[in-house]
Amino acid sequence: KAGVTQTPRYLIKTRGQQVTLSCSPISGHRSVSWYQQTPGQGLQFLFEYFSETQRNKGNFPGRFSGRQFSNSRSEMNVSTLELGDSALYLCASSLRALAGGDYTQYFGPGTRLTVL
Amino acid sequence: GNSVTQMEGPVTLSEEAFLTINCTYTATGYPSLFWYVQYPGEGLQLLLKATKADDKGSNKGFEATYRKETTSFHLEKGSVQVSDSAVYFCALTAAGNKLTFGGGTRVLVKP
Repeated sequence: KAGVTQTPRYLIKTRGQQVTLSCSPISGHRSVSWYQQTPGQGLQFLFEYFSETQRNKGNFPGRFSGRQFSNSRSEMNVSTLELGDSALYLCASSLRALAGGDYTQYFGPGTRLTVL
Repeated sequence: GNSVTQMEGPVTLSEEAFLTINCTYTATGYPSLFWYVQYPGEGLQLLLKATKADDKGSNKGFEATYRKETTSFHLEKGSVQVSDSAVYFCALTAAGNKLTFGGGTRVLVKP
């Protein structure tokens, strides 16, 4: 079974631009979560989508948004990029159901975003 | 809120040495506990997990036991290899699908 895939793997943007990252979960997984990894802040939770609805949200500004499609693929968008948004963005999928289920998360390789 | 504390690295070992990485947590309810490993330039790989007290997770020679009384989930391996050089993250999830991570421990195994 194919793992979680993320595209693109690398991105370079300039301040003020916006960016969209894509994530395809493991087949059959309906939950997709996003995390930001930086040397200073470590791994931080951005948000989770399940059945096309945002179920949980971390403490990030409104410039960070996401969505999920009917095939469970997810995108996250960052508008008005800042230098501090440079990070590795990781997507994870799980088999969790609406109530209960297996919450084990499996991660993709990440998208490395550099903001100049 | 929930939190995970793990020992800071780097941890430098010789091949075939014994590895222990300490991890303690604070959480409401009954969390599930995980160890993930990250190799250079890659995402996180699930190493092992435990979902209830006294469960032992194991994989690839690594083991960790869910100790509720000490709120700990220490990672151990009896004989490390150069290929075990990586960053190891302890994490938990409680009442939801949000993972809370420790700061990560870099392990360097020298031949």
